[in-house]
Amino acid sequence: KNQVEQSPQSLIILEGKNCTLQCNYTVSPFSNLRWYKQDTGRGPVSLTIMTFSENTKSNGRYTATLDADTKQSSLHITASQLSDSASYICVVSGGGADGLTFGKGTHLIIQP
Amino acid sequence: SAVISQKPSRDICQRGTSLTIQCQVDSQVTMMFWYRQQPGQSLTLIATANQGSEATYESGFVIDKFPISRPNLTFSTLTVSNMSPEDSSIYLCSVVKGNTYEQYFGPGTRLTVT
Repeated sequence: KNQVEQSPQSLIILEGKNCTLQCNYTVSPFSNLRWYKQDTGRGPVSLTIMTFSENTKSNGRYTATLDADTKQSSLHITASQLSDSASYICVVSGGGADGLTFGKGTHLIIQP
Repeated sequence: SAVISQKPSRDICQRGTSLTIQCQVDSQVTMMFWYRQQPGQSLTLIATANQGSEATYESGFVIDKFPISRPNLTFSTLTVSNMSPEDSSIYLCSVVKGNTYEQYFGPGTRLTVT
């Protein structure tokens, strides 16, 4: 069964600090891995998309890594801001938009 | 990119009634999907909305409960029929443009059934 596990489930850090969110998956076949940010009351917004051959991708203060051998990914947030408070969802695609497996997300709270 | 709007943004409905949610995209898209996101859970795909034909439903979802229409390349509706409190959830419209991996999500409709 395809699964995406995220950790931690929730995280509280102080503004300006860095943090790393983890994603482990057991999805086969594998096409790409995505990280989304979902603000409260809003739909998910794409941060990064990585295919099998990519092991790192950045989007501003967000840097995602992918180890396709160990089936692990991380999302690193640098110099956190209050606006980073959101849920971060890891999504793995086996090919085709209807073949997505979603993680439950990590709920991140940035405190001033 | 794609800008997606959903109506209504939220609603409180009584048990046994039906609600139709609209999804409008600002440009033509290849694929449209409807998801459900229950509290504390990940997104679950309900169905793929196919233009001009019946939607393709995922296991556990049926047309009688969640009828879907997609009359053109920019618009779709999802109806939640004969609602029960278990249908309380956020319903999200999602689209894919062209042959890309990029998938866009609408803001969601927060449904509460009492």
